[in-house]
Parts: sequence; C-alpha cells; structure tokens
Amino acid sequence: AQTVTQSQPEMSVQEAETVTLSCTYDTSESNYYLFWYKQPPSRQMILVIRQEAYKQQNATENRFSVNFQKAAKSFSLKISDSQLGDTAMYFCAFKAGGTAGNKLTFGGGTRVLVKP
Amino acid sequence: NAGVTQTPKFQVLKTGQSMTLQCAQDMNHNSMYWYRQDPGMGLRLIYYSASEGTTDKGEVPNGYNVSRLNKREFSLRLESAAPSQTSVYFCASSVLSGTSGRATSDTQYFGPGTRLTVL
Repeated sequence: AQTVTQSQPEMSVQEAETVTLSCTYDTSESNYYLFWYKQPPSRQMILVIRQEAYKQQNATENRFSVNFQKAAKSFSLKISDSQLGDTAMYFCAFKAGGTAGNKLTFGGGTRVLVKP
Repeated sequence: NAGVTQTPKFQVLKTGQSMTLQCAQDMNHNSMYWYRQDPGMGLRLIYYSASEGTTDKGEVPNGYNVSRLNKREFSLRLESAAPSQTSVYFCASSVLSGTSGRATSDTQYFGPGTRLTVL
C-alpha cells in the first residue's frame, strides 16, 4: 500500500514571495504519477501540476514547479511570486501506473496562507 | 462543458435515513470515482468504476453502495446513514485510455463536492 505524507500542516508567505511545500511518499511501484491539487475555500479540487515518475525533468506550470527526487521519494511544490488567490489547502497525491488501481492516495494537506 | 457535476450540494440526514448522491460528467471519461474528505484530512477513495459496467471497492467502502448507471453517471448510496458518514463527498472522473485535450489517462477531475451531515 502507498502512503503520502505532508509534514507541514500550515505555512504562510508574503505576497510575491516564494513558498515550498514538502511531500514524501512510500511505494514499491516503479511506474507511478504524482500530483499536487489545490483546494480553495470553495472546496473545489483543482489540479495544479503532475509528474510522471519515469520523467527526470521536473514539471512546471507557470508559477508552480516541483522538485522530484525519485530516490528520496520526495515531491515538493514551489509556488513563486505568491498571489492572494494562492491561499488554499494543497494536497499531494500518488497514483500507481497502469489501469489496475486507478485510485489516488492523498496526503493530509498543507494550508497555505498568502499575506498581503 | 460543465465538467463533473454533483447533486445535491448540501444535505442533512437523520441516523438511519437513506439517500443517493448523484454525479455526472460530460467529458466522455471512462473512469469515475467517489471520495470522502473528513475535516483536516485528505480525500479517501470509497468506490470507483474503471469503466462502464464495472465497480470496485476503494479504501473505505463500508456503509456505501454505488451504481454506474451509464458512461456519464455514477451514483453513491447510503442505505442507513450514520453520524460517522458526516463528511464532504467528491466525485471525480478520468480518461482510462487515449487522450482528451490536456487530460491523460492518469489525471482525475473533481466535482464541487457534497457536504453531508448525519445527525
């Protein structure tokens, strides 16, 4: 069974600054995917970024980027130039590759507060 | 496209009552999922349907049943609600094979959630 751990329950950052969220996971799979989802106060789950484990290059999406360290089983999210709209819960999630077990396993979340 | 829609948005039940949560997607996705989110926690999978006509248990299936009515719709039923089922319920869908725009087979897209309270 896979586990996903987010060790930071809450983080705050000044607007325009950078914040990094930690995520570690445990798996025996060699083929898998990792995700960061954002959940604002509206409760909607919004995909922020995804990473295929077989790709060495770190994924980026505008102001969001990841640091994927496969050997260390670490998948951190960096939010650059933080904006007030980035205030939300952020969840790291894991999915094994292939069609079997298509489920996502989520971490407990990190609450990010962007201060003006 | 509306994406993934869920009804109702809010519901209050008494212990022992039954209800069905509805989910529909218009993205022609093959796979659909039901998750629950308890306060301060991540989502946990209740049931999923990899394709039309199939359903499988997830991490926390006890007390729930599901029906994959057709490719678009996947419902979650609570036969006899209990206070432990107070939670926010999310439906999600994904493409099982092939691609659809930005979506790939491993990306799940979520509905807005249903907040359920069982008294």
